[in-house]
Amino acid sequence: QVQLQESGPGLVKPSETLSLTCTVSGVSIRSYYWNWIRQPPGKGLEWIGYIYYSGDTNYNPSLKSRVTMSLDTSGNQFSLKLSSVTAADTAVYYCARDDYYGSGRHFDFWGQGTLVTVSS
Amino acid sequence: SYELTQPPSVSVSPGQTASIACSGDKLGDKYACWYQQKPGQSPVLVIYQDTKRPSGIPERFSGSNSGNTATLTISGTQAMDEADYYCQAWDSSTPHVVFGGGTKLTVL
Repeated sequence: QVQLQESGPGLVKPSETLSLTCTVSGVSIRSYYWNWIRQPPGKGLEWIGYIYYSGDTNYNPSLKSRVTMSLDTSGNQFSLKLSSVTAADTAVYYCARDDYYGSGRHFDFWGQGTLVTVSS
Repeated sequence: SYELTQPPSVSVSPGQTASIACSGDKLGDKYACWYQQKPGQSPVLVIYQDTKRPSGIPERFSGSNSGNTATLTISGTQAMDEADYYCQAWDSSTPHVVFGGGTKLTVL
């Protein structure tokens, strides 16, 4: 059974870097694409980006200048770093598995989400 | 950038059919999928590749996609279906994932 679990600080100061890790079980991260998605309180879903085991990445253009994703194949984990955060980055952050089939993609497994608050 | 538009809210009586639309330029040329999200929970995939249901999703959930509009239909809506629903597509030209703004389904 595929499971994803986010971990990381729940509070980050403005201008600092948000760092989260997603630990995957039940499947190797050497397969599939792995994504980060966020949801500000009371608002909709926003795709942040994905990473593939080859190292290929693709980021939302609105966040691209501040986002870095990486993989740890030995730990079956992938990570997100978002720099220079502001209050607008306060959100529940989800990691999700991406089932890509050339002409489309969808997210079939999601983590439980972790709330990250940006505040001094 | 590509955009998907959903109505903010839809209301339906129990046992009736609910339809939630998602519009985007030539959306019918792309694959659309739908997620259900209940308060405090992660989104759950209910429809993918326009019309397919993942294992465990009730048959009352169905989807279609043609022209500029994808539609999620819930037949015989139950109280447990009350949730936020999000459409999502993959814009291969950019190539980026796009979500609709979400629709709150109220069963009353």
